[in-house]
Amino acid sequence: EAGVAQSPRYKIIEKRQSVAFWCNPISGHATLYWYQQILGQGPKLLIQFQNNGVVDDSQLPKDRFSAERLKGVDSTLKIQPAKLEDSAVYLCASSYQGGFTDTQYFGPGTRLTVL
Amino acid sequence: AQSVSQHNHHVILSEAASLELGCNYSYGGTVNLFWYVQYPGQHLQLLLKYFSGDPLVKGIKGFEAEFIKSKFSFNLRKPSVQWSDTAEYFCAVNSPGYQKVTFGTGTKLQVIP
Repeated sequence: EAGVAQSPRYKIIEKRQSVAFWCNPISGHATLYWYQQILGQGPKLLIQFQNNGVVDDSQLPKDRFSAERLKGVDSTLKIQPAKLEDSAVYLCASSYQGGFTDTQYFGPGTRLTVL
Repeated sequence: AQSVSQHNHHVILSEAASLELGCNYSYGGTVNLFWYVQYPGQHLQLLLKYFSGDPLVKGIKGFEAEFIKSKFSFNLRKPSVQWSDTAEYFCAVNSPGYQKVTFGTGTKLQVIP
C-alpha cells in the first residue's frame, strides 16, 4: 500500500514570496490533514478535510494560508505572502474516515525555510 | 481544551538500558492516546494507541504504554533499548469533545551503542 505522498520535500523562499505544497493521501482515505511543525514543537493541525469539505480550519492563519481539496483526493496548501515565522515542516496526513478512533498516517513532510 | 506535556526533551541511554518517557494530558473526559515515533530521516509513524479496555497497551518493536486515568498519564516504556530506537517520540491525545489530535513537544531519544 502506497503511503502519503508530499512534494516538494524542501523549499527555500524569501519572505513575502508565495509557496505551495502538494499532498496525495492514501487511496481510499476520506480525511486529509495539514499540520505545521515548528522546530522544537509538536505538529499543530492547520486544516482538516473530510472528502472535499473543510471540517476544521480554526488554526489556519487565513490571511496568508489557504488550502483546497477540490476532488476529494489530493490537496494543496498555499502560503502567500510568506513570513519568517512560517519556517517549519508542513506535514500531510490522512485517515480512513476521520473518526475519533481513526489512525492518522503521515507523509514525509515539506521543510520550508523562509529567508 | 486538551493539552499534552512531555517533560523529557532529550534522553540519552546506553543500549540495554530501560526506557520510560513521560506523557501527561489535560482533559477530564474520554480520551484516545497515542505515541508516534519519527526515526531519523523518516516520517511520523504510529507506535501504539489506547482507545479503551486494557490500560496496558503493547505496540511495535517491544514498546508498551500504560494509561493511568487518575494520573492523566500515558508513559511509554521499553525494558531494553537498542541503538535503532534512536528517534523522536511524540505523545498525542484526542477526544470526542475536541476531535482534533493534540501533540506534545516530543522527546528526542539517543541510544549509545
